[in-house]
Amino acid sequence: EAGVAQSPRYKIIEKRQSVAFWCNPISGHATLYWYQQILGQGPKLLIQFQNNGVVDDSQLPKDRFSAERLKGVDSTLKIQPAKLEDSAVYLCASSLLRTRSSREQFFGPGTRLTVL
Amino acid sequence: GNSVTQMEGPVTLSEEAFLTINCTYTATGYPSLFWYVQYPGEGLQLLLKATKADDKGSNKGFEATYRKETTSFHLEKGSVQVSDSAVYFCALTSYAGKSTFGDGTTLTVKP
Repeated sequence: EAGVAQSPRYKIIEKRQSVAFWCNPISGHATLYWYQQILGQGPKLLIQFQNNGVVDDSQLPKDRFSAERLKGVDSTLKIQPAKLEDSAVYLCASSLLRTRSSREQFFGPGTRLTVL
Repeated sequence: GNSVTQMEGPVTLSEEAFLTINCTYTATGYPSLFWYVQYPGEGLQLLLKATKADDKGSNKGFEATYRKETTSFHLEKGSVQVSDSAVYFCALTSYAGKSTFGDGTTLTVKP
């Protein structure tokens, strides 16, 4: 079965520019997560979708970050305008989340963003 | 809110040494607990999981037991190999699906 796909893999932008990341989860996975992972830290949840609805976006900096999951399949995360502190790896993960035994997440390769 | 605290690293061991990486958590209800691993140049992947108290997760010689009384999920391996060098993340997922990760522990195994 195909894994979680993300693009681009790498992105370098100047501060105040905008950037968008794309994620396609594993087929049939209703739950999709976006994480920010700063070097030396664990992944920090930005937003969680269940189908095309937002379950948790409490840690998403909504003044500059936005995300959508139209049609409940693939998702886009956008940053506008970017700041230096947004330099990180952005991870997408998906999960079945139907039962207690199916809560594990499957991660994509990530997008490494560098803001200059 | 929920939180996960991992033993600080980095950890350096010789091949065939015993490994313990401590993990404690704070959560309401009954979360599922996970260890994820990130090998050099690769993405995060599930190493093992436990879904209820006293469950033992195991994979590739690694084990961890869900201890509700001590809110812990320590990772152990009896004999590490050079190929186990990686970053290890303890994580929990709540009943609602909200996920919290620790900051990771870097393990280096020397031959």
